[in-house]
Amino acid sequence: QLQLQESGPGLVKPSETLSLTCTVSGDSINSDTYYWGWIRQPPGKGLEWIGTMYFFGKTFYNPSLKSRVTISVDTSRNQVSLRLSSVTAADTAVYYCARLNYGSAENWGRGTLVTVSS
Amino acid sequence: EIVLTQSPGTLSLSPGERATLSCRASQSISSAYLAWYQQKPGQAPRLLIYGASSRATGIPDRFSGSGSGTVFTLTITRLEPEDFAVYFCQHYGGLHVFTFGPGTKVDI
Repeated sequence: QLQLQESGPGLVKPSETLSLTCTVSGDSINSDTYYWGWIRQPPGKGLEWIGTMYFFGKTFYNPSLKSRVTISVDTSRNQVSLRLSSVTAADTAVYYCARLNYGSAENWGRGTLVTVSS
Repeated sequence: EIVLTQSPGTLSLSPGERATLSCRASQSISSAYLAWYQQKPGQAPRLLIYGASSRATGIPDRFSGSGSGTVFTLTITRLEPEDFAVYFCQHYGGLHVFTFGPGTKVDI
């Protein structure tokens, strides 16, 4: 059964880099059927797509975050990682990783809350 | 850039009633890439509908999606107590961009 588990620090200081990892079990991130993405949700607000990693190695990012975001994969650990630099309070959110297919997010992790505060 | 708007913002209904939720795109979009999600408090979103009208695995048939062009609809034929939640529409479009609507809350 597919499981996605986000992990990482729950508190990050302003101007620092947020780093999260999504560990995938029950599927290989090398799958040529699915791709992997990160989506976030500020408390009490809507959903915002951050970026997507495709099986052919190409990444696409939300234009509003592109200059600060990096998504990468570690195939040996079956993990997808997110790095978001120069964070501010506006980056406080629940961060979800998701398995994507046909332009929709079929499966989601439980999410992890990251708070940006000094 | 595609902008999705959802209406109404909040829909107050009772169990057993029919819910009709609307998602409008700022320009015509492919129905192949229009999806709907349900989110309950404290939980991750769950995919309900993809391709505008195809139910995801395990989704009850009281949920249905329709529409084309700029207007899309999610219908819940008979609300069950567990259906009271927030519903988001989402589009996948040019330059591989995912866009979400602001959501509609269905409450009692």
